[in-house]
Amino acid sequence: SQQGEEDPQALSIQEGENATMNCSYKTSINNLQWYRQNSGRGLVHLILIRSNEREKHSGRLRVTLDTSKKSSSLLITASRAADTASYFCATDLPTDSWGKLQFGAGTQVVVTP
Amino acid sequence: DAGVTQSPTHLIKTRGQQVTLRCSPKSGHDTVSWYQQALGQGPQFIFQYYEEEERQRGNFPDRFSGHQFPNYSSELNVNALLLGDSALYLCASTPLGEETQYFGPGTRLLVL
Repeated sequence: SQQGEEDPQALSIQEGENATMNCSYKTSINNLQWYRQNSGRGLVHLILIRSNEREKHSGRLRVTLDTSKKSSSLLITASRAADTASYFCATDLPTDSWGKLQFGAGTQVVVTP
Repeated sequence: DAGVTQSPTHLIKTRGQQVTLRCSPKSGHDTVSWYQQALGQGPQFIFQYYEEEERQRGNFPDRFSGHQFPNYSSELNVNALLLGDSALYLCASTPLGEETQYFGPGTRLLVL
């Protein structure tokens, strides 16, 4: 079974709009990471947020983490056509499971010009 | 600096055959992980190698095995292929102790 679940499954927006997607997970984590995947190829790491952090920014990306609700959100501001991709959250569990990323099924984002 | 590379990019096999996929990690990375991604799904962790030993394993049968070489490159072997093994196989590398994993472009395997 997958640890993380993204919501929505798919998102269609216009260039310049913001895109928000959410991730829920089931067990305690060491960190949560967001990845992007273009056209079924390799994953690109976007941002990592640790369990003791609540918010993190990187360029047009903003990630929040609420460990009490076991959820995270990824906001992409001022979206561009090049942001069209699938976005996955992945959790890294504490201690002896370090490095064993558990992914959700992803959110497919389409940005139209 | 070359990123993670994988070979081949595509592969077609028939049921019952065996396959070997290869991965070269980023320079300076000593830990390699393998993931299986079925169509429309997120990647599933297969196993991780460090210092030529399998360090962690996901919920995959023994038909899936691996190897890491002294230069940190790695192979994934799958025996007795099933139709359900058709997927994108991703390799990721990281220096031990670091949390971010760097993924290769993947090998797309089709089992007929």
